[in-house]
Amino acid sequence: QVQLVQSGAEVKKPGASVKVSCKASGYSFTDYGVSWVRQAPGQGLEWMGWISAHTGDKTYTQKLLGRVTMTTDTSTNTAYMELRSLRSDDTAVYYCARDGAEKVLDYWGQGTLVTVSS
Amino acid sequence: SYELTQPPSVSVSPGQTARITCSGDALPKKYVFWYQQKSGQAPVLVIYADTKRPSGIPERFSGSSSGTMATLTISGAQVEDEADYYCYSTDSSGNQEGVFGGGTKLTVL
Repeated sequence: QVQLVQSGAEVKKPGASVKVSCKASGYSFTDYGVSWVRQAPGQGLEWMGWISAHTGDKTYTQKLLGRVTMTTDTSTNTAYMELRSLRSDDTAVYYCARDGAEKVLDYWGQGTLVTVSS
Repeated sequence: SYELTQPPSVSVSPGQTARITCSGDALPKKYVFWYQQKSGQAPVLVIYADTKRPSGIPERFSGSSSGTMATLTISGAQVEDEADYYCYSTDSSGNQEGVFGGGTKLTVL
């Protein structure tokens, strides 16, 4: 069965960086992309960006350009999302999701809480 | 930047039909996807490509799209359908940036 398992919760200080991992299993990793979505406490879902696990092509939301980097490691079927220069409003649950045909996000990780606090 | 607009809340009694709308200028050219999110849980796909239902999703969930508006319909809503619902699509630029609607809180009581 398709599974996306994310790394554990993180607490970071303002200005630091965080790197969240998302390990995929149960499907051919390079046949799909991975999108990252975040959700601040009590707020809605926010799409952050997408990476193709096959080509490495990426698209990031304009809001995070220059602070976010998405990568994949096809040897371990793992996707990564790094966010730099963290601010308090980056506090959120971060999700990875399998991004397939017609841009459907059909399977999601369990989420990783990133807390930014001094 | 591109936006999808949803009503903040919808309320129905059990057994009634709930309709949640999502409007966006690019919807005539782009698919809409609908996600259900219950408190403390990851989102779950309930409708993809405007009208298709994933396996395991009850038949009472259906989707439609016409012009700049898409609609999620829950026919005979159940108490367990109470959740936040989000529409999702991509913009019409070549980069296909994703965008979520603001979410609709469905209350069934």
